Amino acid sequence: QVNLLQSGAALVKPGASVKLSCKVSGYIFTDFYIHWVKQSHGLSLEWIGYINPNSDYANYNETFRSKATMTVDKSTNTAFLDLSRLTSEDSATYYCTRGGFGVGFAYWGQGTLVTVSS
Amino acid sequence: EIVLTQSPTTIAASPGEKVTITCRASSSGTYMYWYQQKSGASPKLWIYDTSKLTSGVPNRFSGSGSGTSYSLTINTMETEDAATYYCQQWGSTPWTFGGGTKLELK
Repeated sequence: QVNLLQSGAALVKPGASVKLSCKVSGYIFTDFYIHWVKQSHGLSLEWIGYINPNSDYANYNETFRSKATMTVDKSTNTAFLDLSRLTSEDSATYYCTRGGFGVGFAYWGQGTLVTVSS
Repeated sequence: EIVLTQSPTTIAASPGEKVTITCRASSSGTYMYWYQQKSGASPKLWIYDTSKLTSGVPNRFSGSGSGTSYSLTINTMETEDAATYYCQQWGSTPWTFGGGTKLELK
């Protein structure tokens, strides 16, 4: 079955960067876009962007363009989200999700909690 | 960007009660999706294409709407339905979510 397995929680210092991973299984990696979604504690969901694993093309929410970089490694069926110059505003749970027009965000990873603190 | 406004923000319902959650979009021409999220868990796709139930979702749930007004309805509230529900639009990027409606058991 479809599974998205995310990396574990990260504690990072302000100003640093962090790279989150999302390893997929149960389907052909290049057949579906991977999206990333941010959920700040107790708050709503924000779409960060998506990457097409087949072409490496990434489309970003303008809000996150200077903060996030999405990449993939087709050899390991893994998607990555790089977050740079971290501040307390970046403390949140980040989800990878497989989605598309007409089907919605149908499959989600378990989430990675990022805490930015000195 | 399409802004989605959900109401109410919080609602408490007794078992057997009918519940309606509304999602208003700042512009029309979108398909609406609904997600259920329980504490500590990832969101789950609940309703897609405005009115289609994801496999396994009980048929006491329904979705409807068009234009700028959409809703999720639970015909008869059950204990397991207590959760936070989010609407989400696929009309135009950036894809956006509503602020969420927390449904509690009375």
